[in-house]
Amino acid sequence: GAVVSQHPSRVICKSGTSVKIECRSLDFQATTMFWYRQFPKKSLMLMATSNEGSKATYEQGVEKDKFLINHASLTLSTLTVTSAHPEDSSFYICSARDHQGQPQHFGDGTRLSIL
Amino acid sequence: GQQLNQSPQSMFIQEGEDVSMNCTSSSIFNTWLWYKQDPGEGPVLLIALYKAGELTSNGRLTAQFGITRKDSFLNISASIPSDVGIYFCAGKETSGSRLTFGEGTQLTVNP
Repeated sequence: GAVVSQHPSRVICKSGTSVKIECRSLDFQATTMFWYRQFPKKSLMLMATSNEGSKATYEQGVEKDKFLINHASLTLSTLTVTSAHPEDSSFYICSARDHQGQPQHFGDGTRLSIL
Repeated sequence: GQQLNQSPQSMFIQEGEDVSMNCTSSSIFNTWLWYKQDPGEGPVLLIALYKAGELTSNGRLTAQFGITRKDSFLNISASIPSDVGIYFCAGKETSGSRLTFGEGTQLTVNP
């Protein structure tokens, strides 16, 4: 149980392109989803917390207009990197939990490479 | 803000050896979690701890929630090559708060 699917697993695109990443909870309803960014050989850095039906809460220093998050249903959250540039290249990982007391389960991540 | 110190940063061991890693926090946590991450994949939950003093096993893995609520350790017994990966501790101050992650322990197991 507690499977989280993230798609796509890898994206390579030109600078200026907007990229959408999907995160789905397959066998549970995720009231809260989280988006992380991970640099090579580093830990996970929380970007934003997404609650179904409400606006995402962004961490300090994360541009909400740059990283658009939509959590329209209890099983789907999307992260759109708008007008991506090479410095946005990174490994983006989502996680989901069904309610506050439960641990987060992670997707397999999306490797984003901006040329 | 919260600080979570995880050690060691890396370990190189022989197959069959036991491994221990730990995390300490500057603040009290009410949840400790241990994850393993393989290259190019997301972290996978290994063990969740919810009570001070709790000792929980998952196969060859054993983790404990420290009595002070500011630390946790993970032990791996009789390591095998597939134990290779990065192990992260993570903690939460309250049920609704976000996770704080340690910096990870890179484990290498030589056959």
